[in-house]
Amino acid sequence: AQSVTQLDSQVPVFEEAPVELRCNYSSSVSVYLFWYVQYPNQGLQLLLKYLSGSTLVESINGFEAEFNKSQTSFHLRKPSVHISDTAEYFCAVIKAAGNKLTFGGGTRVLVKP
Amino acid sequence: EPEVTQTPSHQVTQMGQEVILRCVPISNHLYFYWYRQILGQKVEFLVSFYNNEISEKSEIFDDQFSVERPDGSNFTLKIRSTKLEDSAMYFCASSEGISYNQPQHFGDGTRLSIL
Repeated sequence: AQSVTQLDSQVPVFEEAPVELRCNYSSSVSVYLFWYVQYPNQGLQLLLKYLSGSTLVESINGFEAEFNKSQTSFHLRKPSVHISDTAEYFCAVIKAAGNKLTFGGGTRVLVKP
Repeated sequence: EPEVTQTPSHQVTQMGQEVILRCVPISNHLYFYWYRQILGQKVEFLVSFYNNEISEKSEIFDDQFSVERPDGSNFTLKIRSTKLEDSAMYFCASSEGISYNQPQHFGDGTRLSIL
């Protein structure tokens, strides 16, 4: 079975400051990793994913995440946040050839002006 | 961009009653899912559905739950006799193919409140 731990339930951050959201996973089989974002009153949207290849993956809105196999981590970072980044962020894994997402508990990011 | 739509956005039901949550997946998608999130807890997988049958289900998905694709567009989750602990946000998702390569697209959810 897989499990995902997001170490921070809430992260307050000032606008234009950097942010890092931590995600660690546990699995006995190979997994693929995802970050989803949930804006207020909306569903989950895929932010970025790691399947293979370069361990650093980027999204179109400036987020990046780095897969670290030895530390079983997939932390999400953004060098400069905007007010519009206020949302809840979920890390998730899926096992190879699987179709069931296993989610972390979520990290609520509140960007302050 | 095509979306997964869920209705209703909020459903209030008396304990013991049956409830049906409805979803319209993205039209060319072949895999369908239900997840739920109890307030303050993680998003949990309930069931996946492909080719008109359940392909995987969690231990949560007991005999009280059923899923159906009654026509070419809708995908429903039925809870036969609701309990207080069924109160949660229920998310429907769909994907074009097997999910590690074809990401799951989620609807905005249905908040189910059992009284």
